Amino acid sequence: EIVLTQSPATLSLSAGDRATLSCRASQSVSSYLAWYQQKPGQAPRLLIYDASYRATGIPARFSGSGSGTDFTLTISSLESEDFAVYYCQQRSNWPRGTFGQGTRLEI
Amino acid sequence: EVQLVESGGGLVQPGGSLRLSCEASGFTFSSYSMNWVRQAPGKGLEWISYISTSLVTIYYADSVKGRFTISRDNAKNSLYLQMNSLRDEDTGIYYCARDRSRWFDSWGQGTLVTVSS
Repeated sequence: EIVLTQSPATLSLSAGDRATLSCRASQSVSSYLAWYQQKPGQAPRLLIYDASYRATGIPARFSGSGSGTDFTLTISSLESEDFAVYYCQQRSNWPRGTFGQGTRLEI
Repeated sequence: EVQLVESGGGLVQPGGSLRLSCEASGFTFSSYSMNWVRQAPGKGLEWISYISTSLVTIYYADSVKGRFTISRDNAKNSLYLQMNSLRDEDTGIYYCARDRSRWFDSWGQGTLVTVSS
């Protein structure tokens, strides 16, 4: 099973800061990686797919990069609504897939 | 507007059974593969099952294989998850999620399953 490790577990920043979240895979997943945002009491929302493509309606301040085993989600300038938990997901062995354990982005 | 609405969750004793439903609207249900994803209380996300549009291809996570059965009724725009031999560790929120080119682009609001004596 491919294991995704996200770091840091918690990231404490302020509105207007730049956020950099990391996701590392235990083996190459090519570019088959996505990022999801989850707010308390809500379902996850797709932000980034295929490592670097923004999903429909996602603001340009969110960007994704990486391939192989190392991936990054960057939020260029944090807004109050961005404080949430972020998960990466790989589906290189589609339709199976695994999620990372999440990074909590807090104020 | 795409909508996925789960139902059927509740409290069940260990060893019991439960059937979850997910009703879809706002898109052509029969054209999309579907998934179930769960989340234990305070924990992360776990993909548990996939079903293709034509029901031909079905996959399960090892944690539920042999106990859970995914199915769908394209005429009723509905996805199902039959859960048998439930364990404490099956407790959590169960989401249905639409599969679009590998990714889960739409999610339901989830239904809570609690396995406890």
